[in-house]
Amino acid sequence: NAGVTQTPKFQVLKTGQSMTLQCAQDMNHEYMSWYRQDPGMGLRLIHYSVGAGITDQGEVPNGYNVSRSTTEDFPLRLLSAAPSQTSVYFCASSKGWGDTFQETQYFGPGTRLLVL
Amino acid sequence: LAKTTQPISMDSYEGQEVNITCSHNNIATNDYITWYQQFPSQGPRFIIQGYKTKVTNEVASLFIPADRKSSTLSLPRVSLSDTAVYYCLVGHPYDYKLSFGAGTTVTVRA
Repeated sequence: NAGVTQTPKFQVLKTGQSMTLQCAQDMNHEYMSWYRQDPGMGLRLIHYSVGAGITDQGEVPNGYNVSRSTTEDFPLRLLSAAPSQTSVYFCASSKGWGDTFQETQYFGPGTRLLVL
Repeated sequence: LAKTTQPISMDSYEGQEVNITCSHNNIATNDYITWYQQFPSQGPRFIIQGYKTKVTNEVASLFIPADRKSSTLSLPRVSLSDTAVYYCLVGHPYDYKLSFGAGTTVTVRA
């Protein structure tokens, strides 16, 4: 299994440009999520999905869109990039949530985004 | 979600035991405690999870007192490669909005 893959690894955008960060997992996981991590800070949840066709907002959703048309893929779209969106973006997936414990989240390698 | 508090940073030397305490005073009855580790330029990875008492795996031990208002991650005999950020998370099995705080940066020196 490749696990969780993210593309691109690094991207430079100009203010106002749009782009899509790709995330895919081959573990048949129901739950997928996107986080951003700014220097010296923890991860903040942007959007998440509990299954194909179902998405919801996290802590910092403004400026981002997501969709989940398949179990495997969960792309994150930046509608109009701003310098404040310069960050490292991580995608994660898990089986879902067990009845008696929290399932482990598996993270991708991250995408570094620089908005000029 | 129960809020967690952990030290910002800790320094240690190779071969020592490192103990990181996480406070979670508002933990709910069905909340679990999970620790993740993050190396520079990588995504976090799961270390250990527990509900009460003590849990041990090949990487670490997790100590949880009876009142569950805190927990301690113990890393035995650390090496330079254990230098990382460690996150404490608290939530119930159907928490869809897990939050990672700033974590504890552990620096292991030779």
